[in-house]
This record gives sequence, C-alpha cells and structure tokens, in this order.
Amino acid sequence: NAGVTQTPKFQVLKTGQSMTLQCAQDMNHNSMYWYRQDPGMGLRLIYYSASEGTTDKGEVPDGYNVSRLKKQNFLLGLESAAPSQTSVYFCASSYVGGGEDVYTFGSGTRLTVV
Amino acid sequence: QKEVEQDPGPLSVPEGAIVSLNCTYSNSAFQYFMWYRQYSRKGPELLMYTYSSGNKEDGRFTAQVDKSSKYISLFIRDSQPSDSATYLCAIGSGGSNYKLTFGKGTLLTVNP
Repeated sequence: NAGVTQTPKFQVLKTGQSMTLQCAQDMNHNSMYWYRQDPGMGLRLIYYSASEGTTDKGEVPDGYNVSRLKKQNFLLGLESAAPSQTSVYFCASSYVGGGEDVYTFGSGTRLTVV
Repeated sequence: QKEVEQDPGPLSVPEGAIVSLNCTYSNSAFQYFMWYRQYSRKGPELLMYTYSSGNKEDGRFTAQVDKSSKYISLFIRDSQPSDSATYLCAIGSGGSNYKLTFGKGTLLTVNP
C-alpha cells in the first residue's frame, strides 16, 4: 500500500503565485488533514475534512483553501502565496477521526515562497 | 496555557542511555495518548498509543500516562543511534472531536 501520497515533494513559488498541493490516500480513510510544520512551532492544523464533501478550519487557515471532492483526495490551495507560507506541509488521514484513530502522514511538501 | 506542552530539547545522549521524553496537557477530556517519531525530512509515524493511565511497553519503548497529573512520558531503554529523531506527543479526546493535538516535538540525538 502506498498510504498517503503528497505531490509535489518540493516547490518554489514567487510571491503572489497560486498553487495546489495534492494529497491522496488509498486506505479508505474517512478523515483527512493538512498541517504545516515550522521550526519551533510544531505541527499546526490548517484544515481538516471529517468526510467526503466536508471541510473545517483548523488553527491557521488564513491564506489557504481546501477541497475534498473525492474520499481519497484532499487538496490544499494557496491563492496568492506569501513568504510567510514557506513551510513543510504534511497531509494525514485517519479512519474514523476520533482520538482512538491513528493518523497516517505523508512524506511532506517543502514549499519555499520567494 | 497551551493544551499540550512539550520540552523541545534538543536532547543529546550517549548510546545505551535511558531517555525520558515528557508532555503535559491541560484538558482533562483528553483520553487518547500517542507518541509519534519523525526522522529528518520525513513525515511523523506512530510509535506508541495508549488510552489508559499506567504503562505500556513495546520492546525498548515504554509509554506512561498519569491522568491525575495530566502528564505523559515516553521512555527509551538502551538507546541507539537509529533512535535519533524528533518525538512528538499527540493527544485526542475522541468522540466527535476529530483532531489530535500535537506537542511541538523533542529533538533527540543518540551519539555512538
């Protein structure tokens, strides 16, 4: 099983450009999440989706949008990239979404905004 | 007060040492306690999971939960250079609350 696959692995954007980070899971998980990880800040939740077609804001949603049109895919969009969005982005998924579930993480997307 | 506090370290120990990693939390509704390990330039992966007070062992790793003190620990016995990674505690309340709350992570280096 591939688990959680994130594309691209690396990306450099210019300020103001837009892009979409893609996440796919093949475990039939109900819930999916987008985190960003910055030095000294830990993992911060951007958006999550409890089920196909639903999304909710996390701790740091400003400047991002998401889409969960299919159960296996969760897309993170940057409408107008800013240097403050330079970070490592992780997608994760879990089966039910309760605290008993194990999160499976992707390997990350390293984004640099110049 | 943040919901989950974790000493970021860094922590450097010699090979064979016993390592203790700790987190405190503030919300008594938390019921599920996990430790994730993250190697450099990789995503976090689950290391240990427990939902009750007490100890849980898995090989060289022991997860300890004290709900009365809102304190969780991860012990690593006979530490190896391959244990060098960032360790993140993660806590969940279950039910309709979908989100885990992560600590900031402790960077551990085990020196040969």
